[in-house]
Amino acid sequence: AQKITQTQPGMFVQEKEAVTLDCTYDTSDQSYGLFWYKQPSSGEMIFLIYQGSYDEQNATEGRYSLNFQKARKSANLVISASQLGDSAMYFCAASLAAGNKLTFGGGTRVLVKP
Amino acid sequence: DTGVSQDPRHKITKRGQNVTFRCDPISEHNRLYWYRQTLGQGPEFLTYFQNEAQLEKSRLLSDRFSAERPKGSFSTLEIQRTEQGDSAMYLCASSLVFGASGANVLTFGAGSRLTVL
Repeated sequence: AQKITQTQPGMFVQEKEAVTLDCTYDTSDQSYGLFWYKQPSSGEMIFLIYQGSYDEQNATEGRYSLNFQKARKSANLVISASQLGDSAMYFCAASLAAGNKLTFGGGTRVLVKP
Repeated sequence: DTGVSQDPRHKITKRGQNVTFRCDPISEHNRLYWYRQTLGQGPEFLTYFQNEAQLEKSRLLSDRFSAERPKGSFSTLEIQRTEQGDSAMYLCASSLVFGASGANVLTFGAGSRLTVL
């Protein structure tokens, strides 16, 4: 079974600064996918970024990048140039590459200060 | 496409009553997932379908819970004899999966919030 750990329950970040959200995972599989989702106060889960375990390059999507360190089993999310609208819960998740369910971490709440 | 729709958005019920939630996935998606999320926690997997077949159920899904996807389109999640511990947000998600590789990006609905008094 996979386990996802997010050790930061909450973080403050100044507007326009970058923030790194930590995520470690525990799996014995070689093939898996890593995901980050954003959940604003309205409640919907919004997909941000994906990294496959065999991808050699770190994934990037606009202001989001995933710092993938396979040997350390970490998949940290970096949000650059934070905006007030980035205030939300952020969840790291993983799945086996066979298209299975996602297993989520406990989340990190980010509050962007003006 | 209007995304994943869930109904009702909010449900308040008394302990012991039965409740049913409906999920309409994105039409071309072949997979449908149910998750439960309690306040301040990450979503917990309950069950998922590929087309009409229920492929996996979590141990969290007690015998009071049942899910169906009769024609491989919409799905229902029924909770019988509700308990206060069932109070949570029930999230539905769908995805399109080809074969055994590639990203399985789930698109979530807005959720159905259940309060059991």
